[in-house]
Amino acid sequence: GAVVSQHPSRVICKSGTSVKIECRSLDFQATTMFWYRQFPKQSLMLMATSNEGSKATYEQGVEKDKFLINHASLTLSTLTVTSAHPEDSSFYICSARDPRAAMNTEAFFGQGTRLTVV
Amino acid sequence: AQSVTQPDIHITVSEGASLELRCNYSYGATPYLFWYVQSPGQGLQLLLKYFSGDTLVQGIKGFEAEFKRSQSSFNLRKPSVHWSDAAEYFCAVGGSDQAGTALIFGKGTTLSVSS
Repeated sequence: GAVVSQHPSRVICKSGTSVKIECRSLDFQATTMFWYRQFPKQSLMLMATSNEGSKATYEQGVEKDKFLINHASLTLSTLTVTSAHPEDSSFYICSARDPRAAMNTEAFFGQGTRLTVV
Repeated sequence: AQSVTQPDIHITVSEGASLELRCNYSYGATPYLFWYVQSPGQGLQLLLKYFSGDTLVQGIKGFEAEFKRSQSSFNLRKPSVHWSDAAEYFCAVGGSDQAGTALIFGKGTTLSVSS
């Protein structure tokens, strides 16, 4: 099946710095990718929809200037957490659905990135 | 509004006993339904999915789920739970707009397995 790869799996950064997380679709081209955030013991909350070649669509309450999303190619979307603060510490997961499927398609998820801001 | 409700936050089941995790959804269009499992610190693994056809779907690891449109439910079941099944389980719903629609997740149910 289709594979989505996310990197890094874990990152620790200092408060005030920026961190970039990459999400790649390995064997399909994804015009749309999704970024989720998961707090401990909680569900996945959709942050934004990443659209290849255009601006991302952010969910209500998500700061677009803080969480920069770039989808420059059909296989790569990046999420940059700018000026990170400890409250940004979380588990970030990307997802994509394979548009090649004629009818039904599941969503494929990256392995997730554990961000810790110290 | 589109939403997924998992009424049970935490369930404990004895090893070898049967399991049912509840999921109710609210979705304006034809729903595509999923169950995912997540181990601590890990990503999501798809257990099973329902798109159309037979309302009883079989998944991996001996799991099955039944879609009941009249009840807007998609409950997950397993006849005999193993200790390795202890994890977080998420029900999710998506639309038929293939690649352009994100999944909406329930809050999850934590499954503990006692010996």
